[in-house]
Amino acid sequence: KAGVTQTPRYLIKTRGQQVTLSCSPISGHRSVSWYQQTPGQGLQFLFEYFSETQRNKGNFPGRFSGRQFSNSRSEMNVSTLELGDSALYLCASRAGTSSPYQETQYFGPGTRLLVL
Amino acid sequence: TQLLEQSPQFLSIQEGENLTVYCNSSSVFSSLQWYRQEPGEGPVLLVTVVTGGEVKKLKRLTFQFGDARKDSSLHITAAQPGDTGLYLCAGSTGGFKTIFGAGTRLFVKA
Repeated sequence: KAGVTQTPRYLIKTRGQQVTLSCSPISGHRSVSWYQQTPGQGLQFLFEYFSETQRNKGNFPGRFSGRQFSNSRSEMNVSTLELGDSALYLCASRAGTSSPYQETQYFGPGTRLLVL
Repeated sequence: TQLLEQSPQFLSIQEGENLTVYCNSSSVFSSLQWYRQEPGEGPVLLVTVVTGGEVKKLKRLTFQFGDARKDSSLHITAAQPGDTGLYLCAGSTGGFKTIFGAGTRLFVKA
């Protein structure tokens, strides 16, 4: 079974631009969660999508948005980029039919975003 | 606000030494997970503990969940260079959110 894939792996943008990141979950998984990882803040939860609906949301501004397609693939969009958005963006997939602690969450390798 | 505090933040030891990493919170969790993350990769799940007082062993790694389910520890016996990485603890409250600690960066020197 293929693992979670994320594209692109690396991205350089400038302030004010927008960016779209993509995540393909493990086949059969319907839940996709997005996280931002920075050295100072660690891993912070952005949002979770299940069956094309946002099921949970973290404490990030509205510039961060996402969506999920019928094949469970998910995209995350960040508009009006700021320097502080530089981070590793990770997505994780799981079956999604039970609580997180009852299912193993599999992470992708991440997209490293640098905002100049 | 639920927080998970990990200590130490950074640990550099010699091969063969033992070490313990701690994960503490004032909140009660339904379960706690430990992950290891290597450079250029996403975190990989090592173990999930769900019962207060539970102890799980994974080769040279021993994980313990506190009796009150507010804290956990990871003990590594006879550390090896292959243990080098970022160790993350994460707590689930029974809902659909998982909260991560900031991590302990371990470096094992040969």
